[in-house]
Amino acid sequence: DVKVTQSSRYLVKRTGEKVFLECVQDMDHENMFWYRQDPGLGLRLIYFSYDVKMKEKGDIPEGYSVSREKKERFSLILESASTNQTSMYLCASRVYSNEKLFFGSGTQLSVL
Amino acid sequence: DQQVKQNSPSLSVQEGRISILNCDYTNSMFDYFLWYKKYPAEGPTFLISISSIKDKNEDGRFTVFLNKSAKHLSLHIVPSQPGDSAVYFCAANTQGAQKLVFGQGTRLTINP
Repeated sequence: DVKVTQSSRYLVKRTGEKVFLECVQDMDHENMFWYRQDPGLGLRLIYFSYDVKMKEKGDIPEGYSVSREKKERFSLILESASTNQTSMYLCASRVYSNEKLFFGSGTQLSVL
Repeated sequence: DQQVKQNSPSLSVQEGRISILNCDYTNSMFDYFLWYKKYPAEGPTFLISISSIKDKNEDGRFTVFLNKSAKHLSLHIVPSQPGDSAVYFCAANTQGAQKLVFGQGTRLTINP
């Protein structure tokens, strides 16, 4: 089975802190994604990567950056956390050209 | 612009009856559709999908119907079970596109 692992289930950070969310997948998938889930808004794409060192902005990239130095790892960075970034963050991966996404368990981030 | 819409935020169904979740889309280029199920504090898991060349796909208790002329798809669960209580997201993709577009989600509650 595909395993997508997010490093933290719950995080509490203060406004202005730099935050790193880590995601690792074990199935040699080409594509990796970061979504955030908010009530009433569904899943919104922040960034995605279709190869090592490649990244593309999603629908809501403002305030975020990403890093993909190795194929299995995709990191989401909040340069200066703000309260409106309090959310559930979901990492996902898939085989290139296969549309089915496999999700991690999510990280519930609270910014105080 | 919300390209994939789930207009019912919540749905309550009696155990054993049929649950019908609906999803509308606006982009006629979408050619692959998926349903995901999400429990609290977990990542979404893939449920069922359908290609635009079909109008129905069935997997056990789950059936997805696609009406391309109406740009509408629905997920039928029969019979509904308590374990089906979750948030359901529909998603759509265009062949070769890198990202899935998700709806807002519908919270399904199955009452005993």
